[in-house]
Amino acid sequence: QVQLVESGGGVVQPGRSLRLSCAASGFTFSSYGMHWVRQAPGKGLEWVAVIWSDGSNKYYADSVKGRFIISRDNSNNTLYLQMSTLRAEDTALYYCARNQWLVPLDYWGQGTLVTVSS
Amino acid sequence: DIQMTQSPSSLSASVGDRVTVTCRASQGISNYLAWYQKKPGRVPKLLIYAASTLQSGVPSRFSGSGSGTDFTLTISSLQPEDVATYYCQKYTSALWTFGQGTKVEIK
Repeated sequence: QVQLVESGGGVVQPGRSLRLSCAASGFTFSSYGMHWVRQAPGKGLEWVAVIWSDGSNKYYADSVKGRFIISRDNSNNTLYLQMSTLRAEDTALYYCARNQWLVPLDYWGQGTLVTVSS
Repeated sequence: DIQMTQSPSSLSASVGDRVTVTCRASQGISNYLAWYQKKPGRVPKLLIYAASTLQSGVPSRFSGSGSGTDFTLTISSLQPEDVATYYCQKYTSALWTFGQGTKVEIK
């Protein structure tokens, strides 16, 4: 069955960096676009970034552009989010999710919590 | 960037009521519109994509309509298990923006 398992969250000081991972299994990872979506405490869902199936294109929300980098390793079925210059407003539960052509986010991981605090 | 605006931000209805949530795009997005259900402590669940296509396993009381800039999610007969926040999302081009969400409660 399809599984997406995020890891790497934790408490980090403002201005520092953190790398999230999402391990995929149960499907052909290299055939799917992959996304990061976050939800801050008490707030709505916020789309963060997408990487195409072959890694050829990457797009970011304005709120993270220039600070976050999405990447993938198709040989190891893993998605990453490198987060730099973290701010308090980046505090959220971060989900990874997949999409296939013309079908949006049909499977999601359970999320990993990032807390940015001094 | 295209903005997605949902209305209302919250609603309260009785079990069995017909419930409608609206999502408006600031520019036309054809039918590249999805609806998700989010319950506290649960993972978001895809309900509808391509504006009106029901995702496998989703109860038929959920339906979607619209094209261009105006879209609607309808729950034909509200059930207690439908208490959740519902989000629309556009998935054209590069940015996959969510609406701000509509919280649905039982009266």
